[in-house]
Amino acid sequence: RKEVEQDPGPFNVPEGATVAFNCTYSNSASQSFFWYRQDCRKEPKLLMSVYSSGNEDGRFTAQLNRASQYISLLIRDSKLSDSATYLCVVGPSGSARQLTFGSGTQLTVLP
Amino acid sequence: NAGVTQTPKFRVLKTGQSMTLLCAQDMNHEYMYWYRQDPGMGLRLIHYSVGEGTTAKGEVPDGYNVSRLKKQNFLLGLESAAPSQTSVYFCASSSTGVGNTIYFGEGSWLTVV
Repeated sequence: RKEVEQDPGPFNVPEGATVAFNCTYSNSASQSFFWYRQDCRKEPKLLMSVYSSGNEDGRFTAQLNRASQYISLLIRDSKLSDSATYLCVVGPSGSARQLTFGSGTQLTVLP
Repeated sequence: NAGVTQTPKFRVLKTGQSMTLLCAQDMNHEYMYWYRQDPGMGLRLIHYSVGEGTTAKGEVPDGYNVSRLKKQNFLLGLESAAPSQTSVYFCASSSTGVGNTIYFGEGSWLTVV
């Protein structure tokens, strides 16, 4: 079993739609959770951190479910510019190297 | 406002050749990393460094060497390139370890034929 698993997609949604991605992780000791965004042939960039209480940044909402060991990303009112691959990133605390990247979920927002 | 800069951006190597990927960051970050990204595999850590003069192995270190002689630079070497090392390589840095934002370079596309 992969340490971090994501549905690769692709998710094709119309503009204005709401779309949600889930990511499951296997290491119950994990303490840090992030969503990164990666555009085609570009480097990954931090989208948002995921906190235990959940957090929201504009149209984006991230949630953590420790009991079921998954994190989610909800995008409301999708824009064409949201088209990208979304990477789930998980890591325990206190160790520089133990960040594990999911292979990503591809989103295409259609006009 | 350079951030993390990698060179070269593209390179084609013949099997058995050697090369060095250069990474420089201007954010005074302590931690630096080299990842490779392959289709369906996600980013995998090759080597990392927690400070000048220190390096450590990541998940997939075989066939690679690194050096961090200066805080701002992190070099990745391929001693004898193999087709399995065809990949996109990303250098990254962060102020400290897990929990802090990792900033990536634009990537280096390497093909070994």
